[in-house]
Amino acid sequence: DIQMTQSPSSVSASVGDRVTITCRASQGLKTWLAWYQQKPGKGPKLLIYATSNLQKGVPSRFSGSGYGTDFTLTISSLQPEDSATYYCQQAIDFPRTFGQGTTVEIK
Amino acid sequence: EVQLLESGGGLIQPGGSLRLSCAASGFSLSADHMSWVRQAPGKGLEWISIIYSGGGTQYADSVKGRFTISKDNSKSMLFLQMNSLRAEDTAVYYCARGILTYFFDDWGQGTSVTVSS
Repeated sequence: DIQMTQSPSSVSASVGDRVTITCRASQGLKTWLAWYQQKPGKGPKLLIYATSNLQKGVPSRFSGSGYGTDFTLTISSLQPEDSATYYCQQAIDFPRTFGQGTTVEIK
Repeated sequence: EVQLLESGGGLIQPGGSLRLSCAASGFSLSADHMSWVRQAPGKGLEWISIIYSGGGTQYADSVKGRFTISKDNSKSMLFLQMNSLRAEDTAVYYCARGILTYFFDDWGQGTSVTVSS
């Protein structure tokens, strides 16, 4: 199985800050990577697919980049509603696997 | 608008069986691919099964031989039959829709399964 490792595990930042989350895969993914946002008690929400494509309705302050084994999710200007846990997911092979999650907290 | 509504969770003894359902609306099950993804308490997400639009299936090793995914296109219902349940199957179970097989475009709110004596 492909292992997905996210860092950091948690981050605390102020409104307006730039936040970067990284995801590293144990094997090359090309661009077959997605990012999800999950708030407490809710199902995850797809933010970005195929590394850098913004899902419809997702604010443009979210962006993704990377290729192969190293990927990044960036929130350009953190908003209060961005407080959540973020997961990366590889889509090149089964079983589909997710990172362990990064919790973003607003200071 | 796409909506997914899971049901059927509950408390079950080890070795028991449970059938989860997911009611889908706003799209056709015959056109898209559906997965079950679970989340143990305080843990991350684990994909466990997919049923393709054409009916083919795949499973994670952790549930292979114990769980069966199925669907009724005419009733827009997705199912997960879970047998020989173990304590480690305790989780919130989500159904998720994928327009392609790669990503999970839409998710339900989840149904909780607790396996305990």
